[in-house]
Amino acid sequence: AQTVTQSQPEMSVQEAETVTLSCTYDTSESDYYLFWYKQPPSRQMILVIRQEAYKQQNATENRFSVNFQKAAKSFSLKISDSQLGDAAMYFCAYRPVQGGSEKLVFGKGTKLTVNP
Amino acid sequence: NAGVTQTPKFRILKIGQSMTLQCAQDMNHNYMYWYRQDPGMGLKLIYYSVGAGITDKGEVPNGYNVSRSTTEDFPLRLELAAPSQTSVYFCASSYRLAETQYFGPGTRLLVL
Repeated sequence: AQTVTQSQPEMSVQEAETVTLSCTYDTSESDYYLFWYKQPPSRQMILVIRQEAYKQQNATENRFSVNFQKAAKSFSLKISDSQLGDAAMYFCAYRPVQGGSEKLVFGKGTKLTVNP
Repeated sequence: NAGVTQTPKFRILKIGQSMTLQCAQDMNHNYMYWYRQDPGMGLKLIYYSVGAGITDKGEVPNGYNVSRSTTEDFPLRLELAAPSQTSVYFCASSYRLAETQYFGPGTRLLVL
């Protein structure tokens, strides 16, 4: 079974500093997508960044970047120059390209607090 | 584009009542999904649809029904509400099956 594990239930960072959120996953598939979603107090799920497993280059979106280690099945999210608006729950999610690709498998989330 | 919209935002139901959660998208996406999120947990798939008239069960379908008569709308029906269905419900859509899913704002449901 495919699983996603986020080992940090809570993290905190000072405004303007950098924080890394961890995610590991378990799968026997070779082709898949990985995502980080942000869920602020409004509860809306917002896509932060996406990584295709066949791409060796790590995805980057402005202040957000990932460290994708396929062999280690690790997919961490780095937030640079943290802002107060980054405070939210962050969910790591996995989706295979084939077979069962209708379903996103989510981790339990990491609550990020940004201190002024 | 409004994206994915959901109504209502919040609802309280009594045990045994029924209700329909509405979901609509204006992005011409073929694929639509319903998830539930229990406290402290990630989302779990209830039902999904690959196009008008075609639906299939996800991971936790019991107690729910869906229909998809149009590309835009994908309502979720709760029959005989139970306290275990207290949750936040998210609707999502995507253009292709394995592509990025875009989520609505969620419906918070409390069953007492």
